[in-house]
Amino acid sequence: GESVGLHLPTLSVQEGDNSIINCAYSNSASDYFIWYKQESGKGPQFIIDIRSNMDKRQGQRVTVLLNKTVKHLSLQIAATQPGDSAVYFCAEKTRVTNTGKLIFGQGTTLQVKP
Amino acid sequence: DGGITQSPKYLFRKEGQNVTLSCEQNLNHDAMYWYRQDPGQGLRLIYYSQIVNDFQKGDIAEGYSVSREKKESFPLTVTSAQKNPTAFYLCASSISANTGELFFGEGSRLTVL
Repeated sequence: GESVGLHLPTLSVQEGDNSIINCAYSNSASDYFIWYKQESGKGPQFIIDIRSNMDKRQGQRVTVLLNKTVKHLSLQIAATQPGDSAVYFCAEKTRVTNTGKLIFGQGTTLQVKP
Repeated sequence: DGGITQSPKYLFRKEGQNVTLSCEQNLNHDAMYWYRQDPGQGLRLIYYSQIVNDFQKGDIAEGYSVSREKKESFPLTVTSAQKNPTAFYLCASSISANTGELFFGEGSRLTVL
């Protein structure tokens, strides 16, 4: 069956360091991936997305890497700030569903130490 | 400002009661979704609607019902048939069902007493 998972439930980093959050997916038919950030008590916010025809995409202070060979996705946050503290979810979608349905991983909590 | 509004933010329910969570969007999006989130877990899809007057069951639809009579509104009813309704409920929308990016509301936390 399909599953999307994150390698670590909690990641603790020092302010100013770079953060790397990992995600593994099992469905080789997945062709679209999104990273969301969820702050406590709020809804998830879109961070960055990537399609399967790419292996890297950069945004403001964030980079997403996609390795289709090993079905692995990562989110890199440069110069991590206290405001980055949140739960980060990866989500995937397959072309065949065509319904907008996203399958979410369980989330990684990022803690930024001052 | 455009966005998704969920209400109420907090809701308490006695066992055996039905409750309805409201979700309104002014983004002119065709597709809308309801997700359930439990502590330490990801989001699980309850129902989704690709267009007005149409909706489909998600992965955990049992004990829930929805309607989509207007494009901007997608209310979720948690019925007494839902055995474990205490959770954080998130509504989302997207431009169309083919668009990957979902825009989420702030969520509604339901607690069954």
